[in-house]
Amino acid sequence: GQNIDQPTEMTATEGAIVQINCTYQTSGFNGLFWYQQHAGEAPTFLSYNVLDGLEEKGRFSSFLSRSKGYSYLLLKELQMKDSASYLCAVRGWDYKLSFGAGTTVTVRA
Amino acid sequence: DVKVTQSSRYLVKRTGEKVFLECVQDMDHENMFWYRQDPGLGLRLIYFSYDVKMKEKGDIPEGYSVSREKKERFSLILESASTNQTSMYLCASSLLRPGLSGNTIYFGEGSWLTVV
Repeated sequence: GQNIDQPTEMTATEGAIVQINCTYQTSGFNGLFWYQQHAGEAPTFLSYNVLDGLEEKGRFSSFLSRSKGYSYLLLKELQMKDSASYLCAVRGWDYKLSFGAGTTVTVRA
Repeated sequence: DVKVTQSSRYLVKRTGEKVFLECVQDMDHENMFWYRQDPGLGLRLIYFSYDVKMKEKGDIPEGYSVSREKKERFSLILESASTNQTSMYLCASSLLRPGLSGNTIYFGEGSWLTVV
């Protein structure tokens, strides 16, 4: 199975940068995902890493180190609309996706 | 446009009732999933299916069953609803063998179930 840890909450100021860390222990690894979820809504896909390194998508970047079982999601130039829960998820060899509990990010003016 | 549709957005059911949650996807995906989401616990996998009539238990299958009679439809069944099954239920789908570039799971809008 998978054991996925991420911080419960983070607070940052509009325009700032926030880094959300995710560590995982897995019996098989076939990719790591980050999702954004606003209250009362379904998760929406942000990024996907299967090889080590940094993937950049506009204001959002995600990093993966498979040897360390570690990923982070970097949110730059924070906006109020970025206030949401961010979910780290790991896919195993059986293609099941296991999720961390999520990190609630609050952006303050 | 990609679409995963859950039939009911909000339901209130009584303890002991049989409850059906329906999910339909229009992307010809092989994999379909049912998750429940609770505060502080994140998304937990109940069941998944990788083909018609195939099903695999997830992390918390107790008290639930599923049905996949057609490729596009995956149903979650609560045989006898209990108050601890009050939760938000999310259906999702994906390709059987996702590629390396940007594949993702697609989620439905969620079904909020309250058991009283």
